[in-house]
Amino acid sequence: DAKTTQPPSMDCAEGRAANLPCNHSTISGNEYVYWYRQIHSQGPQYIIHGLKNNETNEMASLIITEDRKSSTLILPHATLRDTAVYYCIVFWGGGSNYKLTFGKGTLLTVNP
Amino acid sequence: DAGVTQSPTHLIKTRGQQVTLRCSPKSGHDTVSWYQQALGQGPQFIFQYYEEEERQRGNFPDRFSGHQFPNYSSELNVNALLLGDSALYLCASSLGETRRLAKNIQYFGAGTRLSVL
Repeated sequence: DAKTTQPPSMDCAEGRAANLPCNHSTISGNEYVYWYRQIHSQGPQYIIHGLKNNETNEMASLIITEDRKSSTLILPHATLRDTAVYYCIVFWGGGSNYKLTFGKGTLLTVNP
Repeated sequence: DAGVTQSPTHLIKTRGQQVTLRCSPKSGHDTVSWYQQALGQGPQFIFQYYEEEERQRGNFPDRFSGHQFPNYSSELNVNALLLGDSALYLCASSLGETRRLAKNIQYFGAGTRLSVL
């Protein structure tokens, strides 16, 4: 079962920032937060990941709360091509676990 | 740089038949994972192959089996197809040396859409 909770859907105006929340209240100290997205008819695409510090790359920013029980993915200037299902995943690659456990994600619709 | 490629893109089978899906990993990758995605759901992990061995398996019956070849490509086989096996089957590749690290980024193909009638 997924260890994260996300809203089923969100809307955002084109050009505005999209802020996608994720709750992961049972996250372990060594688990990272990963974000993937899936555009219709394509496979999931990696966006960003982090442990406890805020992270930024060319696609997005990831803000993790100090207690690590929730996080927010920020797309600073959403475009129509950002319309997709966004998945928040907690993952630790240690031991013998290599699988990503996906929930249902958040369908982000960017409107013109 | 070729990404993850899967074939075929679409497939129609009837109940009881067997199917083989194929995956070529991203250049430089040696680990392949398979996922099943039912309509409206997130992908569900089937199994992962590394060094031609199944390393981890999800909650799927033995009807689902796989293979990894020396060139790191992989096949997913499903026997005795059921209507409930209709789904998008996704292949993801990653670097084996990162399997135990946080930066275990998996790169996904576009998937094979399997319809069982």
